Amino acid sequence: AQSVSQHNHHVILSEAASLELGCNYSYGGTVNLFWYVQYPGQHLQLLLKYFSGDPLVKGIKGFEAEFIKSKFSFNLRKPSVQWSDTAEYFCAFTGFQKLVFGTGTRLLVSP
Amino acid sequence: DAGVIQSPRHEVTEMGQEVTLRCKPISGHNSLFWYRQTMMRGLELLIYFNNNVPIDDSGMPEDRFSAKMPNASFSTLKIQPSEPRDSAVYFCASSLQGQGARTEAFFGQGTRLTVV
Repeated sequence: AQSVSQHNHHVILSEAASLELGCNYSYGGTVNLFWYVQYPGQHLQLLLKYFSGDPLVKGIKGFEAEFIKSKFSFNLRKPSVQWSDTAEYFCAFTGFQKLVFGTGTRLLVSP
Repeated sequence: DAGVIQSPRHEVTEMGQEVTLRCKPISGHNSLFWYRQTMMRGLELLIYFNNNVPIDDSGMPEDRFSAKMPNASFSTLKIQPSEPRDSAVYFCASSLQGQGARTEAFFGQGTRLTVV
């Protein structure tokens, strides 16, 4: 079955701390990978995406993610978080058409 | 393009009533997804369409839920009869998928449904 596992449900950081959110997917074929962000009361917006090519992907707002095929992982990173990064983060992938999301990670950044 | 458009933005209805949620995908996209989001269950995929055809409806909770996509520019999600446990935010998303061009999924603003 196609699935996405996000290891951290809640993360609390202070401003300027580094962030890494884990994501592993379960699918045997070629995948497209995504990280979405949802700010309080808003819809999901794309942070970054991987279709092919360089496995290190840079997105908006200083976020990046690395696709490691051998580990079925697509972890999200940011070297220095800001208070405005407080949001919920979703990892997702498409295998054959179906877009599957992880359960999300709630990030709280304290000033 | 205006993006994915959902209506209504908010819906409050009484238990037992029929509720219809509407979605207009981005022009040119060939895949459409309906999701439900609650605090308890997170983001759940209800159904998705490819080229207007329902591909996977295994996430539809029960027969009270039905979805249609009569053409490439319109989809509905209907709940009949509605129950309080259906209260959630329902998101529609669209994308382009294929051998050539492909895009990420773009989400609408969502419909916040409250069943009292």
